[in-house]
Amino acid sequence: DGGITQSPKYLFRKEGQNVTLSCEQNLNHDAMYWYRQDPGQGLRLIYYSQIVNDFQKGDIAEGYSVSREKKESFPLTVTSAQKNPTAFYLCASSTGGGSVDTQYFGPGTRLTVL
Amino acid sequence: SQKIEQNSEALNIQEGKTATLTCNYTNYSPAYLQWYRQDPGRGPVFLLLIRENEKEKRKERLKVTFDTTLKQSLFHITASQPADSATYLCALVTRDTGRRALTFGSGTRLQVQP
Repeated sequence: DGGITQSPKYLFRKEGQNVTLSCEQNLNHDAMYWYRQDPGQGLRLIYYSQIVNDFQKGDIAEGYSVSREKKESFPLTVTSAQKNPTAFYLCASSTGGGSVDTQYFGPGTRLTVL
Repeated sequence: SQKIEQNSEALNIQEGKTATLTCNYTNYSPAYLQWYRQDPGRGPVFLLLIRENEKEKRKERLKVTFDTTLKQSLFHITASQPADSATYLCALVTRDTGRRALTFGSGTRLQVQP
């Protein structure tokens, strides 16, 4: 089955701890994205990567970090510097190649800071 | 400032009627616009894409229009069914910044009553 997976589905973290959210895709897509969604709101772009070993900040990158060492993987680390990390995190991928086309989303990870 | 606006109030309609959702944008020059469906607790799913030089796109019971003069896209679902109940998000790619990523509206929740 081709698709994009995120793990875990639910994640609890204590204040002051860093936590890494996993995102893997087997669609052979070049581009990958991380979004944050708060209740009743749209998706806000955190980071995106057009190609391996390259990524750009989105609109709300502060307190987050990413890496793109493999085409299939784009993990997101929520650091202790993120002031309000409780949210629903969505990873997406697209074919890329210089244009932004259809995005395929994972099932999301709901992060709760205790 | 740049904005993408969707009606934040839920749209309630009767089964069989046509649902019409609106996406307005300001201070963007979109290359194209996309519509996604999102069910509670899940990632969005792509529905339709319309380019700046297209007036209308159709797919089965779905129709999207794009008016770059009015800076508006309309999303129609004809012969609506209770299974169409979900949140619908519009998203665009702008030519302004060269950023190869989507910017999303906050979504409109559609409730189709049987």
